[in-house]
Amino acid sequence: GNSVTQMEGPVTLSEEAFLTINCTYTATGYPSLFWYVQYPGEGLQLLLKATKADDKGSNKGFEATYRKETTSFHLEKGSVQVSDSAVYFCALNKNTGFQKLVFGTGTRLLVSP
Amino acid sequence: GAGVSQSPRYKVAKRGQDVALRCDPISGHVSLFWYQQALGQGPEFLTYFQNEAQLDKSGLPSDRFFAERPEGSVSTLKIQRTQQEDSAVYLCASSLEPGTQGAQHFGDGTRLSIL
Repeated sequence: GNSVTQMEGPVTLSEEAFLTINCTYTATGYPSLFWYVQYPGEGLQLLLKATKADDKGSNKGFEATYRKETTSFHLEKGSVQVSDSAVYFCALNKNTGFQKLVFGTGTRLLVSP
Repeated sequence: GAGVSQSPRYKVAKRGQDVALRCDPISGHVSLFWYQQALGQGPEFLTYFQNEAQLDKSGLPSDRFFAERPEGSVSTLKIQRTQQEDSAVYLCASSLEPGTQGAQHFGDGTRLSIL
């Protein structure tokens, strides 16, 4: 079946450090891939997405590239801020039918000043 | 408001009680999803509605869980005879159209605690 594996957290960084959060997936067909972010006490917000191989999603300085050959969708940011502290979820959908999301377990990011 | 609204934000119930969780999707959104998020885990799919039709309920854990969306707008997730393992955050999401690559918009969730 479809599944998503994320690196375990927490990831602890100092402000302005480089961020990578690894995500790999298992899926039949050609899924769409997503990163969602969850700030404390809030619901999930879509951060970025990519719908086909080699697509790059980007938003708010975050980027992720859909790599079909390595079945990966790693999240990167060149310079993190304290305000980026949150839980990040990698997710996929089947790209057919009604497209329910399959999520990873989430990676908590803590950025200190 | 413009976003997905869920109520209540927090619900505490005793084991064996029935609970009802409400979701108001974004106006005009056809698709509505319910997810269950256990502590420290990612959300897991429960059920899906397209307008008033429940097209998939494969993620509902047991027959104690029931969801409806009678007029194709507001949805209610009901849990009967609650058990401690039902404690989780229940998330509702909506999207404009089915079968598209559009984003799902999530509410802030209802945190359910069963004592």
